[in-house]
Amino acid sequence: KQEVTQIPAALSVPEGENLVLNCSFTDSAIYNLQWFRQDPGKGLTSLLLIQSSQREQTSGRLNASLDKSSGRSTLYIAASQPGDSATYLCAARNEKLTFGTGTRLTIIP
Amino acid sequence: GAGVSQTPSNKVTEKGKYVELRCDPISGHTALYWYRQSLGQGPEFLIYFQGTGAADDSGLPNDRFFAVRPEGSVSTLKIQRTERGDSAVYLCASSPRTARGAGNEQFFGPGTRLTVL
Repeated sequence: KQEVTQIPAALSVPEGENLVLNCSFTDSAIYNLQWFRQDPGKGLTSLLLIQSSQREQTSGRLNASLDKSSGRSTLYIAASQPGDSATYLCAARNEKLTFGTGTRLTIIP
Repeated sequence: GAGVSQTPSNKVTEKGKYVELRCDPISGHTALYWYRQSLGQGPEFLIYFQGTGAADDSGLPNDRFFAVRPEGSVSTLKIQRTERGDSAVYLCASSPRTARGAGNEQFFGPGTRLTVL
């Protein structure tokens, strides 16, 4: 059974800093890994999807990497802004999508 | 429509009642998924449809939960004899392709917040 872990559970950083969110998964036989953003009381917004054959994806200030063999993915956010404050979820796709419990990110102005 | 829509956005019901939650996927998406998200947790898979049929319902917690997608588009999640423990946000997602293979990004709706009193 796939298990996904996200560390840290919460993170606060000053505006402008670069930061890294971590995601690990136990079953490396994934099709892809997806990073989402969730604002309080809202649904999920897809940020980046990395196919199992890829090592990274970039979108604007976001960069996600995937090391399938070690069961790890990271989400790098450059030049953080207060609007980046949200919960970030990663999800590993085998037959099903298995989510981590998220990292609650707060960017301090 | 532009995205996945879910209705109602909020539902408050009493223990023991029956509820229906609706999901309208992105037009043309063949795959549809239901998830349940409890407070402070990530979403948990409930059921997956490919077209009209339930391809995987292994995440449904018990037989009080049932979902249909009769015409391969709109789906309804039905919960009988609701319990307080059913309180959660129910999320729906759709995907343009089947479960296997590349390019099967899932797009999520805003969710229905169910509260069972």
